Amino acid sequence: DGGITQSPKYLFRKEGQNVTLSCEQNLNHDAMYWYRQDPGQGLRLIYYSQIVNDFQKGDIAEGYSVSREKKESFPLTVTSAQKNPTAFYLCASSPRGREEETQYFGPGTRLLVL
Amino acid sequence: QKEVEQNSGPLSVPEGAIASLNCTYSDRGSQSFFWYRQYSGKSPELIMFIYSNGDKEDGRFTAQLNKASQYVSLLIRDSQPSDSATYLCAVKNFNKFYFGSGTKLNVKP
Repeated sequence: DGGITQSPKYLFRKEGQNVTLSCEQNLNHDAMYWYRQDPGQGLRLIYYSQIVNDFQKGDIAEGYSVSREKKESFPLTVTSAQKNPTAFYLCASSPRGREEETQYFGPGTRLLVL
Repeated sequence: QKEVEQNSGPLSVPEGAIASLNCTYSDRGSQSFFWYRQYSGKSPELIMFIYSNGDKEDGRFTAQLNKASQYVSLLIRDSQPSDSATYLCAVKNFNKFYFGSGTKLNVKP
């Protein structure tokens, strides 16, 4: 069963705590992305990776970190420096190179602050 | 200036009518354009993509692209209550995607 999985579905963070959101894909896609969506808003790009061991900051990278050690995995860490982390986090992947290729999204993780 | 602009709505249409959703983009070099549907609390799902000027039809959906005017639209014919969702326009440039804030569509039975 091919696709993108994200875990957990819901995540609660305490003040000063770092939390990590998981994203795994078995679509053999080179590119992976992390977006944040706030209520009633569009998607804002946090980080993206075109290839293993390489990633670039998006528009709102401050307070977040990522790694890309394997093609299938692109975890996102929300650090204590991110002061307003409550949002819906979406991971996506895409084949690289062809302009008509779209992104495929995981089911999302909803992060809430205690 | 935002990369991709959409009217936030809500756009209300009666069941069976045509819903017209619009999107403008700022980067003339943009090459591919996508429409996603997002139900509340769910992740976006692809409706259509288009990368040539003109119309592209898929079932009840038609995407229209005018690169000279930097404008892309989505028409939904015979709208159904199940089409009620937020529709996101996305523009792709060199493997980066830029999203509009979405238009909320309500189809009234």
